[in-house]
Amino acid sequence: QITLKESGPTLVKPTQTLTLTCTFSGFSLSTSGVGVGWIRQPPGKALEWLALIYWDDDKRYSPSLKSRLTITKDTSKNQVVLTMTNMDPVDTATYYCAHRQMGYGYWGQGTLVTVSS
Amino acid sequence: AIQMTQSPSSLSASVGDRVTITCRASQGIRNDLGWYQQKPGKAPKLLIYAASSLQSGVPSRFSGSGSGTDFTLTISSLQPEDFATYYCLQDYNYPQTFGQGTKVEIK
Repeated sequence: QITLKESGPTLVKPTQTLTLTCTFSGFSLSTSGVGVGWIRQPPGKALEWLALIYWDDDKRYSPSLKSRLTITKDTSKNQVVLTMTNMDPVDTATYYCAHRQMGYGYWGQGTLVTVSS
Repeated sequence: AIQMTQSPSSLSASVGDRVTITCRASQGIRNDLGWYQQKPGKAPKLLIYAASSLQSGVPSRFSGSGSGTDFTLTISSLQPEDFATYYCLQDYNYPQTFGQGTKVEIK
């Protein structure tokens, strides 16, 4: 079965760079049509789409965050990495990675990242 | 970016009620829309993709309809486990955008 799990720091300081890793199993990111996306949710707020990487290394970003985001994949390790630079307290949120094929059918449990000095 | 406007933002309903949630896109998105259910402290769960296709394992009381700019999620008979927040997501183009959510509460 398909599973995904996010990992990374739970606390980062303002201006620091956040690096999150999504480790998955049950599918290959070299299969045509497959993608892995990142979505976040500030406490008590709505979901926000951040970025998506496809099997062919096509990458898509939220325009409002594009200058701060980088998404990469390591197919051999079954991992997708999201980096976000210049973190700010408003970036405090639960960050999810999710498998995309027909919609986001499988999600990780999410990881809460707090930005505070 | 395409804006997705959900209504209502919240509703109160009883077990057994028929519930309808709507999502309107700021421009046409064909049928490139999904519906997600989220319970507190949990990851979202895909219910409907391509506007009207039921995700495997999702109860048949959930249905979706619409195309272009107007979409609907219907729960035919609300069950206790359906009390949650529901989001639409357009994946017609980038950035993909979510609606602001509809919280379904117990009446």
